[in-house]
Formats: sequence, structure tokens, C-alpha cells
Amino acid sequence: IAGITQAPTSQILAAGRRMTLRCTQDMRHNAMYWYRQDLGLGLRLIHYSNTAGTTGKGEVPDGYSVSRANTDDFPLTLASAVPSQTSVYFCASSERETGELFFGEGSRLTVL
Amino acid sequence: GQNIDQPTEMTATEGAIVQINCTYQTSGFNGLFWYQQHAGEAPTFLSYNVLDGLEEKGRFSSFLSRSKGYSYLLLKELQMKDSASYLCAVRGDDYKLSFGAGTTVTVRA
Repeated sequence: IAGITQAPTSQILAAGRRMTLRCTQDMRHNAMYWYRQDLGLGLRLIHYSNTAGTTGKGEVPDGYSVSRANTDDFPLTLASAVPSQTSVYFCASSERETGELFFGEGSRLTVL
Repeated sequence: GQNIDQPTEMTATEGAIVQINCTYQTSGFNGLFWYQQHAGEAPTFLSYNVLDGLEEKGRFSSFLSRSKGYSYLLLKELQMKDSASYLCAVRGDDYKLSFGAGTTVTVRA
């Protein structure tokens, strides 16, 4: 089934550790996004990429980095995790900048 | 900046109608989306409005008034499976989607 695959599904991480959340899509969508979802705050954009080779900062980029080496993959890296980064992370893609978003199933990250 | 407001919770009876309101103040406007999200799952697309008026899709309808910065999602003939969070999202002049905090709808038998 075509769509977006995220890994890991769930992870518990010690503060200060480095962590990469993986995201792969097989829909050949140009644009990809990383959101975090926290209770009462909704989905907030961390980073985005309008096309392979380009990335941009969203609303809450601090402490996170991304890369877009090819169309399909858009990993999110936490260089040194902190407890405030405990959240559910959703990767999403859209065919074009103005299209609807398709979401992955999410990665639940707990930083202790 | 973006400011998107929607009620936190709503409860309705199976078979009834529920209207979820969304008001927004954003930097520019390039469309409004509604997503459905069941607990523990990914959001899924429900509707898109870019012009004023009503868009109907089966039991779900979405309305937009750009001059009032207002939208609503209407759910008719409620079913138990409609119990979920409903997310209002606005695309601003940077073409990025900003989301409201979501409205949790509980359908009771």
C-alpha cells in the first residue's frame, strides 16, 4: 500500500542522546514535512522541504535538523534530546506545495 | 503569525448533527482544510475550502467565510465511528499549513 512509513513507532530515549526519526514515502511527492503534536497545542511544523535538496524551518525548529538527499526520504534528527522534545512526531507529504497533506502513522518519542 | 481557534470538546448523540466552528487570523490565506484524527492514529484529510461557501461530501460538509475568518465542519447522521478529533488547518501566505488544537467529538449511543 502506497504511503508514508515512519520508524521507529515508539522510542524511549535518555536526555542528551542523539536520535534520528526516519520517514520514507513512495508517492513521489515533492513536498515533505515534520510536525510534532502535543496535547492542547495541536500539530506544529518543525521543518519542511519543498523539493529534494532544499529544506526550511517551520514554527518550532530549535533542537532539530533535517536533510532531503532524495525525493523519498526525509529524516529528522535530534542532536541532543531534551525532555521537552517528548512528543508524537508526524511526517507528512504533499504532491505539491498547495496540495493536501498525507500523514505517516507517527513516532512516539519519550525523553527521560 | 497564525491564530486558529476551535472548541476543545463536543458531545453529541448517535444520529444527530454536530457543527464544529473554527475561527482564524492568519498572515494571508490560501485555503482551509479539515482533518479527522482517531485516537492513536494519523490525521486523514476530510475537506478543503478556498472559496466562500459550502462544500458537501456525503455526511460531512464544510463552510468557509473568508471575510469573517470563519469555517465550520458539519457532521450529519452521526455514527459511533465519528468519535475522533477534528483539526482545522489554514494555509497562509507562506503556503504552510497551521493547525488548530483540534476538537474532540464524542458520540454517545
